[in-house]
Amino acid sequence: AQKVTQAQTEISVVEKEDVTLDCVYETRDTTYYLFWYKQPPSGELVFLIRRNSFDEQNEISGRYSWNFQKSTSSFNFTITASQVVDSAVYFCALSEAGNQFYFGTGTSLTVIP
Amino acid sequence: DVKVTQSSRYLVKRTGEKVFLECVQDMDHENMFWYRQDPGLGLRLIYFSYDVKMKEKGDIPEGYSVSREKKERFSLILESASTNQTSMYLCASSNVWRGGSQETQYFGPGTRLLVL
Repeated sequence: AQKVTQAQTEISVVEKEDVTLDCVYETRDTTYYLFWYKQPPSGELVFLIRRNSFDEQNEISGRYSWNFQKSTSSFNFTITASQVVDSAVYFCALSEAGNQFYFGTGTSLTVIP
Repeated sequence: DVKVTQSSRYLVKRTGEKVFLECVQDMDHENMFWYRQDPGLGLRLIYFSYDVKMKEKGDIPEGYSVSREKKERFSLILESASTNQTSMYLCASSNVWRGGSQETQYFGPGTRLLVL
């Protein structure tokens, strides 16, 4: 079974629109970490955020915000006032106690000028 | 600044060739990983290593082997390349899970391999 599900394969938005990327995870551990990465066309995955299972506070970083809800096992990512530079593939990942990461299949975001 | 480097950005090989993909990290990380990325499938773990000379199979190890002789270097080997191994290969490294804390994985720029 997929531990991390990103149901949205591709999303297109017009510049300045807000967009939310969904991530649903599955784990039985009480201690775990969730991550978001951005993969621009150049190919390298860039770390965006890490959240541990005991911290359900939402986080905002500039135009980026993350909503972590344990009740629904979701860790959604919102980009406010999207820009063309936000066009990329975004991956959500889960790490349980141990060293392996489980990645979702990614959401390809296209921001149209 | 954190750095994971991969030996090639683009590689073209012929079916049956032995292919070496090299990855080097400069962060003194214990863990190193090899993934392949294909459209619609996301990142799939091929092998990982949590220490020198140690390796663990990931989800899709068939047709691949790895070598970790030094802490900073993790090599992926395609013993006899096949066309279905045409893909993007990503290397990553991280610290071990310590005291209930897991840091991020750091990724290299990737190698796009084409097997003809």
